[in-house]
Amino acid sequence: EVQLVESGGSLVQPGGSLRLSCAASGFTFSRYWMSWVRQAPGKGLEWVANIKEDGSEKYYVDSVKGRFTISRDNAKNSLYLQMNSLRAEDTAIYFCAKSKDWGQGSLVTVSS
Amino acid sequence: DIQMTQSPSTLSASVGDRVTITCRASQSISTWLAWYQQKPGKAPKVLIHSASSLESGVPSRFSGSGSGTEFTLTISSLQPDDFATYYCQQHNNIFGQGTKVEIK
Repeated sequence: EVQLVESGGSLVQPGGSLRLSCAASGFTFSRYWMSWVRQAPGKGLEWVANIKEDGSEKYYVDSVKGRFTISRDNAKNSLYLQMNSLRAEDTAIYFCAKSKDWGQGSLVTVSS
Repeated sequence: DIQMTQSPSTLSASVGDRVTITCRASQSISTWLAWYQQKPGKAPKVLIHSASSLESGVPSRFSGSGSGTEFTLTISSLQPDDFATYYCQQHNNIFGQGTKVEIK
């Protein structure tokens, strides 16, 4: 059974940094593109970033370019999202996703 | 960048109704489109991938069609469990704004 478990979400001040992690199991992690998707309170889904199987290609939504970095460690079956220069508008539940399989999300709140 | 536009944003319907949601891409995406259902407090669940392929375990009342820039999700006979928000997504990329299906 595919499992994706996010961690690392918390309350952080504007301008601060946070690193989200996603532990994957139940499938061969190194064979799949992986994504981060977020959902602000009461809003729709927003794709944030994705990364190729070997990490050689990465893509970001314009609003996070230069601030967020997606990465992966295939040896540890883990996906990461390093978030810097956080803004109030980054407040959301962040989901780790592998095509049809999603984690339950990790809440990031950016507030002073 | 490709934009995905869904309509309507809200849809009021009754149990048994046939419901259609439309998704338009700003440029051709072939059949690289998925449809998701999301209920409050839950992660989205994929219904359709590759524009028209029903995901395993999804009831056959759900169907998808289209290619290029125009796509539709149809629920042939709306059931109580179907009241939720639906999203289209270019595979592993941009989402539409969502369509909330409400009880009429």
